[in-house]
Formats: sequence, C-alpha cells, structure tokens
Amino acid sequence: QSALTQPPSASGSPGQSVTISCTGTSSDVGGYNYVSWYQQHPGKAPKLIIYEVSKRPSGVPDRFSGSKSGNTASLTVSGLQAEDETDYYCSSYAGSNYWVFGGGTKLTVL
Amino acid sequence: EVQLVESGGGLVQPGGSLRLSCAASGFTFSNYWMHWVRQAPGKGLVWVSRINSISKITSYADSVKGRFTISRDNAKNTVYLQMNSLRAEDTAVYYCGREGGAAEFDYWGQGTLVTVSS
Repeated sequence: QSALTQPPSASGSPGQSVTISCTGTSSDVGGYNYVSWYQQHPGKAPKLIIYEVSKRPSGVPDRFSGSKSGNTASLTVSGLQAEDETDYYCSSYAGSNYWVFGGGTKLTVL
Repeated sequence: EVQLVESGGGLVQPGGSLRLSCAASGFTFSNYWMHWVRQAPGKGLVWVSRINSISKITSYADSVKGRFTISRDNAKNTVYLQMNSLRAEDTAVYYCGREGGAAEFDYWGQGTLVTVSS
C-alpha cells in the first residue's frame, strides 16, 4: 500500500497548459483503469474532477483532461486560470478492495 | 442533492477511542459502497477503509487494521468508523466518501477533525 508518486509542485502562466503526473505500479495505476483525480482548495473537501482515467463528471470544465500510459497517469489543465491554483490528488484502485492516493501536487498559476 | 455530513470528531488521549458518523442524504444509501479517507494537518489524502452496500465486505489500510472498524446502518443512512487504540499519528481530518461506479469517490463530506493528544 505505497502512495502513488506525484510531483510536489507544478506551475504555469494563465492560458498555458500544465500536466501533473501520477506514478504507481502494475498493481494499481498500471493494473486498472480506475484512476481518478481530485481538486482540493484549502480547508475544503476534495472534489472529483476526473474518473476512470479520462472521464469528467458533469460540471467539470473540459479544460481538465486525464490520460494513462503504463504505470503513470496524467492530469492536464489547459487554458490555466487563477482559480485552478490549488492542490490536486490522484487515486487508484489497487486490487483486493484497497485504494491508494498520491501525495498531492500544488499547482501555482504564475 | 447528495449530502454527506460527518460528526464525532474531537480531542482524545492516546490509547483512547472515538466513533465517527457520516449521515447521508439525497441518494439511495443502501445502493452504494462507502469509504473513509483521512488527511493529517498539512499532508495529503490517505485512504482508510471501505464497506460494501450490505456490510458483508470491509477493507482497511494496514495502518489502521485491527484498531478501526467500519460499519453502516442502512436504515439510518449512516456509516460509522469506530477508532480504538488511537495514536498521535491518527490525528487528521476524516472524510467520508461515496464510491461511484468506477472506484472513484464521487461525493465527499466536509470532514471532521480528530486530534489525538495528551
């Protein structure tokens, strides 16, 4: 049950795109298409923004997209806006009724 | 509107016990698997436990196995987390979350803070 690996920080200028990686193993990210991403503003509950690797819940802007290659999943935020500056977490099903999260990435809009 | 409301957090001494509750509304609670996820101050999210819709299947993170017990009462639309033998490292905001159709946490409560300290 090791945490997924995310970069501690990422940044980009308004209007640019930024990609956050989430690296696991063949037992979690690589083994299932059950990767999800969450946005969390300070003092607030996490909010689901991507599920099943690349699907967006209704109401989530299409500026947010997800993908996966092997044991690494990625979240891309396009057309960066000031309101995107916050923390992002990935999560994956890890088999045998276990889940694992990434350590989180703080996104800064320059 | 889906709502999850946690309660029961507070200050407890090391070795003590606490029971958290998460009251659900706005959906058919008995159809969904439910989770607990925690977040230590200034740290990331950590999965804690999960229970299936009829309480037959539960699972726990290694860090809490044998000390925490998840349960649910579908008649009361509530999921619980009984926490025993609490340690300082259990200090965190505890969130309950609903599991969607693809192992995602599609709705979250606002969290309840548990502080383990003497």
